[in-house]
Amino acid sequence: DAGITQSPRHKVTETGTPVTLRCHQTENHRYMYWYRQDPGHGLRLIHYSYGVKDTDKGEVSDGYSVSRSKTEDFLLTLESATSSQTSVYFCAISDQGVRETQYFGPGTRLLVL
Amino acid sequence: QKEVEQDPGPLSVPEGAIVSLNCTYSNSAFQYFMWYRQYSRKGPELLMYTYSSGNKEDGRFTAQVDKSSKYISLFIRDSQPSDSATYLCAMRADSNYQLIWGAGTKLIIKP
Repeated sequence: DAGITQSPRHKVTETGTPVTLRCHQTENHRYMYWYRQDPGHGLRLIHYSYGVKDTDKGEVSDGYSVSRSKTEDFLLTLESATSSQTSVYFCAISDQGVRETQYFGPGTRLLVL
Repeated sequence: QKEVEQDPGPLSVPEGAIVSLNCTYSNSAFQYFMWYRQYSRKGPELLMYTYSSGNKEDGRFTAQVDKSSKYISLFIRDSQPSDSATYLCAMRADSNYQLIWGAGTKLIIKP
């Protein structure tokens, strides 16, 4: 998976609790993305980063925040998890020159009860 | 209406058949078109990439873009059971590097 790891790979949590997902890359790519994937919706962009401390919102950012303090790490936080945030979360990276070629991590399956 | 429409399938064909997968889109500004393949419980991986209109071939795979009809296709020749996966189309405009994704078509190749 192109030097991308995600942790945890699976998580079960309760409504109202905070959850942080981690994406770590060893490719030194500038761009990092967080997507969620749900049946019938495909991939939807939550947040993305175009450099250390530089982030922006995607299509479905409500209820999520991100941080990027180092090139290699991109954290996604669900401030107060809800059942509608049950999903598979993918991190992706891309190089500056070829942004459309995104390399994906293995995904994190999150279940919010 | 979604910006990118893709039939979710499943599409089931016998081994060796030619497969045609398609996406339609509404935004005429899209210039970059991609096909990703996703195996079960894995992340998507880039399969084909095309800029603007025309065809691109890579082994058994051919990507076709028809901008006048806002329609893209992926053809798989001599399909194999290992081609069984979900195929997602993605595209973007020059002015916006965010990819817009189709929902994916699940393809099953029967031995």
